[in-house]
Amino acid sequence: SQQGEEDPQALSIQEGENATMNCSYKTSINNLQWYRQNSGRGLVHLILIRSNEREKHSGRLRVTLDTSKKSSSLLITASRAADTASYFCATVTQGGSEKLVFGKGTKLTVNP
Amino acid sequence: DGGITQSPKYLFRKEGQNVTLSCEQNLNHDAMYWYRQDPGQGLRLIYYSQIVNDFQKGDIAEGYSVSREKKESFPLTVTSAQKNPTAFYLCATSGVAGAGELFFGEGSRLTVL
Repeated sequence: SQQGEEDPQALSIQEGENATMNCSYKTSINNLQWYRQNSGRGLVHLILIRSNEREKHSGRLRVTLDTSKKSSSLLITASRAADTASYFCATVTQGGSEKLVFGKGTKLTVNP
Repeated sequence: DGGITQSPKYLFRKEGQNVTLSCEQNLNHDAMYWYRQDPGQGLRLIYYSQIVNDFQKGDIAEGYSVSREKKESFPLTVTSAQKNPTAFYLCATSGVAGAGELFFGEGSRLTVL
């Protein structure tokens, strides 16, 4: 059962540009998390935003959450070639079973 | 080294054979998870365990089995009943069952010949 849907599916930008990825979900959540996956590797947690938070920052990452629209965005500023990876959002459903449900991801390519 | 160790990294199996994927952690986390990832897809939950000697089915448990006899270990067996087992398998742990961040191993790629 897919909860989050990322948009776009793929994104290609030049180094130095900003990258924005969006995630929409269907049911009320406790929190929403963003993960990064380099090709053929495990996922790495980037940031967690709770349902009562609107924005969070971590280094070059900025995450926003709009619970009224059931959507979140991940902004990577001043992108680098090393940011090339797939990015996934994952949600913990409010009142549901305690498990994380992942979207299909956005594949980001940053060209040097 | 602290973390999660999955083995083997690559595994080939003939049709009709069972295979067991290992997942060991030294993070002292209670919760452990197994996910399956197919090309271009997100992660789908196979099984999870929030405490030793207890585990629950995820969304795609058919054809898989697990055990949780020790806190550090959560092996996954892919049985011959799994119709399409070729995939990338990821083990994860969490210090806060369900709501917290997950820590992932490096994955095991299973190919059925």
